[in-house]
Amino acid sequence: GAVVSQHPSWVICKSGTSVKIECRSLDFQATTMFWYRQFPKQSLMLMATSNEGSKATYEQGVEKDKFLINHASLTLSTLTVTSAHPEDSSFYICSADPGKGENGELFFGEGSRLTVL
Amino acid sequence: AQSVSQHNHHVILSEAASLELGCNYSYGGTVNLFWYVQYPGQHLQLLLKYFSGDPLVKGIKGFEAEFIKSKFSFNLRKPSVQWSDTAEYFCAVNNYGQNFVFGPGTRLSVLP
Repeated sequence: GAVVSQHPSWVICKSGTSVKIECRSLDFQATTMFWYRQFPKQSLMLMATSNEGSKATYEQGVEKDKFLINHASLTLSTLTVTSAHPEDSSFYICSADPGKGENGELFFGEGSRLTVL
Repeated sequence: AQSVSQHNHHVILSEAASLELGCNYSYGGTVNLFWYVQYPGQHLQLLLKYFSGDPLVKGIKGFEAEFIKSKFSFNLRKPSVQWSDTAEYFCAVNNYGQNFVFGPGTRLSVLP
């Protein structure tokens, strides 16, 4: 299947700093990518839908200014957690939609674990 | 809005036992159904999917799932589990043009 890669897989930062997480589709182009947040022992919660060349669509309750999403190319979306605080510590997962022919299947990245001290 | 429920939060089985994980969704229209697995320390992987046709779907590693439209269910089964099946299992639903909705997940622990 298609491959989606996230970087970094693990990041520790100080409170108040910003952290950028990259999501890349390695062998296909993705006009749409999704960002999820997964709390321990819980399911994935969709944060936002990232559309190439346009603004991201955020889910209700997700702060747009806190979680900046950029989808500058068909193979790269970035999530920047601005002024991170300990409550932002979580596992962030991206997925990419390869589009036609895949019947709605998504391919997921490995996830990025953020720990804010 | 659609939602997905999974019957069990944590299932513990011995090796060779049979497995059935329940999944129900709430949406009256046409849906695509998925089961994803997340092994410890790894990313989500697709086990199997249903779009149309035979409601009994066979996936990787001996897993299968049956779509019962009248019950809005898509239960995952495996006749004989192995220790390596220890993982978190997520049911997901996608109706055309909408986002995926994931169930809360079921943690499976297989005892050697």
